[in-house]
Amino acid sequence: DAEITQSPRHKITETGRQVTLACHQTWNHNNMFWYRQDLGHGLRLIHYSYGVQDTNKGEVSDGYSVSRSNTEDLPLTLESAASSQTSVYFCASSPKSGWETQYFGPGTRLLVL
Amino acid sequence: QKEVEQNSGPLSVPEGAIASLNCTYSDRVSQSFFWYRQYSGKSPELIMSIYSNGDKEDGRFTAQLNKASQYVSLLIRDSQPSDSATYLCAVKMGFSGGYNKLIFGAGTRLAVHP
Repeated sequence: DAEITQSPRHKITETGRQVTLACHQTWNHNNMFWYRQDLGHGLRLIHYSYGVQDTNKGEVSDGYSVSRSNTEDLPLTLESAASSQTSVYFCASSPKSGWETQYFGPGTRLLVL
Repeated sequence: QKEVEQNSGPLSVPEGAIASLNCTYSDRVSQSFFWYRQYSGKSPELIMSIYSNGDKEDGRFTAQLNKASQYVSLLIRDSQPSDSATYLCAVKMGFSGGYNKLIFGAGTRLAVHP
């Protein structure tokens, strides 16, 4: 069955370290998204991509970067982790038409000490 | 003002009752509205979408949209303990550059007690 996976599921890191969170989908969806979820804020969009080589900033993109070299993967990199980036990160994907119907991965819990 | 607002709850209802979840949004030109359900420790899953004013029913769920009042709601009939979750309202909004984005509310926690 097609699916969307994230790894690692849990990560503890130290302030200043570079961290990369992986997202892989097998639906062949054009669109992929990264969100963070914090208590009281709901889901906030970090970066998104509408296809290979296309990446765009979301509302909370500072300190994060993404690259899209193929359809299946959209890794999220925290360039220099900060305690404010402690959060739950969700990756999502959607087909080219009907991009609003987003399918979410299981999430990654990141703790920055 | 937040773009999509929901009461954080918890909304507590007895089993078998109707649960009513509400959401208001700021962008008058928004055309697409969604309800996601998120169980504790899990990822969000889409349960309803609505695009036109009025009601849309799917099983025990009814989404209601009033664009003039910028208001969307979700009714859950015959609530079950398995409906206990956080319900996220999401609104498709347009931004500069021609890109659309899905803006989520913070969610309402629903607790259905036996």
